Amino acid sequence: SQQGEEDPQALSIQEGENATMNCSYKTSINNLQWYRQNSGRGLVHLILIRSNEREKHSGRLRVTLDTSKKSSSLLITASRAADTASYFCATAYYNQGGKLIFGQGTELSVKP
Amino acid sequence: DAGVIQSPRHEVTEMGQEVTLRCKPISGHDYLFWYRQTMMRGLELLIYFNNNVPIDDSGMPEDRFSAKMPNASFSTLKIQPSEPRDSAVYFCASSLMGLGVQETQYFGPGTRLLVL
Repeated sequence: SQQGEEDPQALSIQEGENATMNCSYKTSINNLQWYRQNSGRGLVHLILIRSNEREKHSGRLRVTLDTSKKSSSLLITASRAADTASYFCATAYYNQGGKLIFGQGTELSVKP
Repeated sequence: DAGVIQSPRHEVTEMGQEVTLRCKPISGHDYLFWYRQTMMRGLELLIYFNNNVPIDDSGMPEDRFSAKMPNASFSTLKIQPSEPRDSAVYFCASSLMGLGVQETQYFGPGTRLLVL
């Protein structure tokens, strides 16, 4: 399967701490995306990083991509209770046409 | 734009009944996706369309499921007959293709289906 694998499956931290989630994939990608899903809601796109990029920032989010290790990480700095959600990585492969392949997600809980 | 619109938001039905879920994608998007999400199986891609044409329906669980996209602004996912194991949240998403590779997908709020 080309499905991305996320690690950890669940993460619980205190407000103000940093949260790091990891995603691994199996074959060469064009881009990798991170999505957030609040309980009972649809997925919301957070950030996209292309295969020729190594790091990208968006506000308190920092995404890295290591194509040699076929892995990516999402760092949320100075976490807030509102960051509590599930986070999914999704990969776009050259031979997959219009599809994104989603991982199983990391459930983040930020305690106030 | 109002984003991807799905209806109904919640559906409770009895086993054997027909269920129709509806989706209006973001105007101008050329891709439309139907996903199903459950605790056990996570997020599964059921089918996707490009310019109203079904491209890949390999994720459709069985013949009881069918999807149509009669025009660029409307799609339906139908389950007939429904079974309790179809209970899940069904998401519709739309996107624009960028340089031959999938870019950002925009998800609707989902339809929470419960089949009794």
